This record gives sequence, C-alpha cells and structure tokens, in this order.
Amino acid sequence: IAGITQAPTSQILAAGRRMTLRCTQDMRHNAMYWYRQDLGLGLRLIHYSNTAGTTGKGEVPDGYSVSRANTDDFPLTLASAVPSQTSVYFCASSDLEGGREQFFGPGTRLTVL
Amino acid sequence: GQNIDQPTEMTATEGAIVQINCTYQTSGFNGLFWYQQHAGEAPTFLSYNVLDGLEEKGRFSSFHSRSKGYSYLLLKELQMKDSASYLCAVADSNYQLIWGAGTKLIIKP
Repeated sequence: IAGITQAPTSQILAAGRRMTLRCTQDMRHNAMYWYRQDLGLGLRLIHYSNTAGTTGKGEVPDGYSVSRANTDDFPLTLASAVPSQTSVYFCASSDLEGGREQFFGPGTRLTVL
Repeated sequence: GQNIDQPTEMTATEGAIVQINCTYQTSGFNGLFWYQQHAGEAPTFLSYNVLDGLEEKGRFSSFHSRSKGYSYLLLKELQMKDSASYLCAVADSNYQLIWGAGTKLIIKP
C-alpha cells in the first residue's frame, strides 16, 4: 500500500441498512479524518481522530460513528443509512507536526436509496 | 461564524495567468491551504501559508494576508490539465480544516 486506501470505491445501499466504509493508511500519520463532499458545498468534517484510541466529532457527525483501534485503520459506520447520506466520502490523514497537510484517499461514492 | 468564500467558477485561456481569490473568517488561524481536485478524484495538496507573503512553487504561487483574511492562488502558463476545482481551506484554533466550496477553473484552448 502507498498512501491511503478506501473501500469500497462505490456502493448503492438501501435505506435502513448498516454500512462500514474502510480506510487504511501506511504513512504512520497520527491524525485521520472523514469528510463528506456534496455538490456546491465544501468538504465537511464528519469525525476525526488525533491518535489511536481517541476520536472526536466534526461538523456533521449525526448518523455516523468511527473507531480508531490502531494507527493505520479508521472505519466509518452508518448505523442505519438514510438518503441524505448519499455523498462522496473521503478519508484523509496528516502528521500532527509541521504544516499538517492532509493526504486524501480516493473516495467512496455512496448512494442511499 | 466560520466562513470561507471563493468564486464558484472561473474561465481562462491556455497559456494565460489566472488568480483565484479566497477570503476567510475563522475562529483562530493555524495556516491556509490550497488543494487541487480534478473531477472524480481526491483533493491533492498545492500550497500552505501561515505567514504573510508569497509562496512560489513552479507555475503556482500563493499569497496570504492574515490582517485582511485573504489569500489568492496564482496559476501561470495555464495548461489544459489545470482544469480542475481549487479548494481553499483554513486551519482553525483546533487545527481542524474549514473548507471553501471550491472554484471550478475551466481552461479554454
């Protein structure tokens, strides 16, 4: 692996179903982030983690949960998907030192019907 | 409240120069970032400004003024591959990035 990977690439999901989006990084970055990107809006932070074992809520956390059991993995779970969660989801990571540039995964395009 | 403003769309000609502006109001400031995002792809880092002044990197330059809450990204010698969205983001007091909606840049031959 080089950088950040996300899975799946895309998914169509029935409303009410549970879904976990996976994110793995191999850069040993402390911090990881989940964003959603919707047309006409900026990236919006869902949840973040500054280090393994800790997580925090971003701007739009409702309906989503995360865990950070180790440095590399940061899965995002939708417990009961709703159509308003249709979006493109990006995972990102950064080192907590320096400029804190964030590196992004390729994204997951999720459609909830 | 926190706000990042940038134009929705701009058009420029191949070989020309274009300046994309960004103004911001945030709770705290720990740096301003510019990212490039091609359609259907992830954002990629272009530049970072924490002090006032100009940062130059090849064909791309970024200017920042903290007192004015203002930045611009300058793209020179435009190429067709520069057609993309350009995202301005500010790190707030908690180092969380607040993102603008992005400027879609269309390059015409």
